[in-house]
Amino acid sequence: AQSVTQLGSHVSVSEGALVLLRCNYSSSVPPYLFWYVQYPNQGLQLLLKYTSAATLVKGINGFEAEFKKSETSFHLTKPSAHMSDAAEYFCAVSDRGGSYIPTFGRGTSLIVHP
Amino acid sequence: DAGITQSPRHKVTETGTPVTLRCHQTENHRYMYWYRQDPGHGLRLIHYSYGVKDTDKGEVSDGYSVSRSKTEDFLLTLESATSSQTSVYFCAISRTEENYGYTFGSGTRLTVV
Repeated sequence: AQSVTQLGSHVSVSEGALVLLRCNYSSSVPPYLFWYVQYPNQGLQLLLKYTSAATLVKGINGFEAEFKKSETSFHLTKPSAHMSDAAEYFCAVSDRGGSYIPTFGRGTSLIVHP
Repeated sequence: DAGITQSPRHKVTETGTPVTLRCHQTENHRYMYWYRQDPGHGLRLIHYSYGVKDTDKGEVSDGYSVSRSKTEDFLLTLESATSSQTSVYFCAISRTEENYGYTFGSGTRLTVV
């Protein structure tokens, strides 16, 4: 069975500061991993995904995430936060083989201060 | 979102009434999913479909039913709405079973009073 834990329901940063959103997973087989972003009153949008190519994955809007198997982590980072990055971020994991349906984390709200 | 539309966007209904939410896609994707989003719970899968007339239950399917008579439409029905079903409902689509990422609709905010 797969599960995903997002550490911190809220993360607050200043504009221009590093963004780090944490995601740890458990999976019985090598997983697919995803980050989604949700802006207010909108659906989720795929930010980036890891599907077994390079362990450092680059996504949209300057975000990237690194798959670390030894740490079972897939943390999301961005070097410099913009006000427009304020949103809810969801990490998701799905297994290869069997059911590919992902399990979503509970979400982390990113707050960006001027 | 381009290619996937949910209707209605907002609905208020009374306890005990049936409610149907619609998801319509123009991408000709085989796989469609219904999720509910609640604070502190993230997204939870209600039902999903892997083709016309082929559906299966997710983790929170009690009180919900679905139908898919055409590739493009996936309907979610609350048979007798309860206050615990007040939520935001999202539809998602996927071209393949192997998940390379979903495309989500904009959601339906349902309030049961």
